[in-house]
This record gives sequence, C-alpha cells and structure tokens, in this order.
Amino acid sequence: QVQLVQSGAEVKKPGASVKVSCKASGYTFTDYYIHWVRQAPGQGLEWMGRISPDSGGTNYAQNLQGRVTMTRDTSVNTVYMELSRLRSDDTTVYYCARVKGAATTWGPFDYWGQGTLVTVSS
Amino acid sequence: QSALNQPASVSGSPGQSITISCTGTSSDIGPYNYVSWYQQHPGKAPKLIIYEVSNRPSGVSNRFSGSKSGNTASLTISGLQAEDEADYYCSSYTSSSTVVFGGGTKVTVL
Repeated sequence: QVQLVQSGAEVKKPGASVKVSCKASGYTFTDYYIHWVRQAPGQGLEWMGRISPDSGGTNYAQNLQGRVTMTRDTSVNTVYMELSRLRSDDTTVYYCARVKGAATTWGPFDYWGQGTLVTVSS
Repeated sequence: QSALNQPASVSGSPGQSITISCTGTSSDIGPYNYVSWYQQHPGKAPKLIIYEVSNRPSGVSNRFSGSKSGNTASLTISGLQAEDEADYYCSSYTSSSTVVFGGGTKVTVL
C-alpha cells in the first residue's frame, strides 16, 4: 500500500536550518509529484512547493523563495524539504503529500505523510 | 497569493445537510476545475474527500458532494453524522502555477 513516512520532530534555534525527509513506498516513486504543505498550530494549511521525483524540478511558494529547497534521492525513494534561516513563525507541522494520478502534477493530494513538527525556539 | 475565503465555522444537527463555501478569484477557482476539499480530524493529516470540483475518491461517502459557480466552490455534507465533525479545507490551482488553500472551516455536529 502507498505510504509516505516522514522523519521525526525537530527543535531548532532561530537562524538555523532544518531538513525533513519523506520516504515513499508502495508505488513507482518517480511517477508522482510530491508537494509540501505546512500547518501552524491551530491554523490552516499553507502550500510550500512541489518537486518532481523524476526530474527533480521544483516550484516554490513565493513567500518561501530563497529559504526553501526541495530535493530527492531516487535510490532511496525519498524527497527532502530544507528550510533555512528559521524564524519563530516557522514553528509548524510540515506534511509531504502525493499527487493523485501519474498524469497530474498540481494536485489533488491523495496520500499524506504523518507530519513532522518543527519547533523554532531560542 | 491570498488564501481562499471560507467561513470559520458551520454547524448542524445529525441528519441535516450543511454547505461550506470557498470563495476565490478569477485567478484561481474561476478559470479552473481543480478545486479539492480535504477533511482533517484533530492531530491527523488531511484526507482528500473531493477533487476536480465534484469527484469523490474511492471509499469516500456519497454524503459528500462538491460544486462550483463562478469564483466560488461549495462542499455539501448531507445526512450529517457525528464522525463528520472536523476541519474542512478547500484548495485550488492558481494562474501563478501554485496551489492555494482556504483558511479552513470547523464543522460542529450539534
């Protein structure tokens, strides 16, 4: 069955970087785009960007440009999201999500990781 | 890109029908049939319940239905059940080649 398993919770200091992983299984990794979505405590969902596991091509939300980098390693069926120059308002749960359908790239998202809480605190 | 506009909360009694609106613009909902709806229970990841405006994924109850008119999409839950109490989010593809979500609607079953 399709699974997206994310790395564990992180605590970082302001100004540091964090790298969250999302390991895929149960399907052909390179066939489906992966998106990253974050959710601050008690708040709504915010789209961060997407990556093609096949080509490695990326698109990022404008407000995160320059701070976010998404990469993938096809040898271990894993995508990564790195966020730099962390601020307190980056304290959120980060989700990876797979696009439904191999022919689509922008959504919808049919499988989600379990979420990774990143806490930014001095 | 501003978030899509959803009511903060909607409530209904068991068995009733409720509708959640999701208002966007001519740059997101309006020109595209790429509206999705997600259900999220506390502490859980979102779950896809409607995609491409009105399609239900396999396994999703037919009590959930979606529609769109102009720049506004809607999710209707009929025969409201206690298990439907959750947060609901709409999303859309945008003309800037991004994805935008709504602010979320908390559904309460009275």
